[in-house]
Amino acid sequence: GENVEQHPSTLSVQEGDSAVIKCTYSDSASNYFPWYKQELGKRPQLIIDIRSNVGEKKDQRIAVTLNKTAKHFSLHITETQPEDSAVYFCAASSGYSTLTFGKGTMLLVSP
Amino acid sequence: NAGVTQTPKFRVLKTGQSMTLLCAQDMNHEYMYWYRQDPGMGLRLIHYSVGEGTTAKGEVPDGYNVSRLKKQNFLLGLESAAPSQTSVYFCASRSGGGYTFGSGTRLTVV
Repeated sequence: GENVEQHPSTLSVQEGDSAVIKCTYSDSASNYFPWYKQELGKRPQLIIDIRSNVGEKKDQRIAVTLNKTAKHFSLHITETQPEDSAVYFCAASSGYSTLTFGKGTMLLVSP
Repeated sequence: NAGVTQTPKFRVLKTGQSMTLLCAQDMNHEYMYWYRQDPGMGLRLIHYSVGEGTTAKGEVPDGYNVSRLKKQNFLLGLESAAPSQTSVYFCASRSGGGYTFGSGTRLTVV
């Protein structure tokens, strides 16, 4: 089955800096890669996703890049703000099958 | 449009007791899932369903059973609760893209 590794497990940045979270996956058949943000005590919420026919996708301060050859994808957050502090999860799936999640990255943005 | 609704939100069980967690979605999604979330472990799939009347095992199915008698509902049962099942349980549904999660059930087994 699919295995998703996520790094780093914790990330501390200053407000205004950029943050990058990286994930690798094992199943070359995986073709859908979403990212979720989970605030303390809340449910995970989808923030951005990318499919394997696209190399990069942007949505305001958030971008995701995908390297199918190397089987890794990354989340980039620019101009970080304190409200970006949360746990971020990457995930991967093939077709309509189940999502396999990484173990999460706790992002702390200090004012 | 409530999305995905989980009940109850909190529960404390004694070892050996049984309970059922209910997940309901009003988005007409075919796919539904039960995950558990433990510190440092991320989200691990317990069971899932690809349509009414179907269920399948995920990564950590032992000690749990599920049923999908109606398309909008997905039930997770614990027949004999153990302290190792203390966790936060999330239900999710999916139509084609990402999951929509419920707000979670915090279960403590003492």
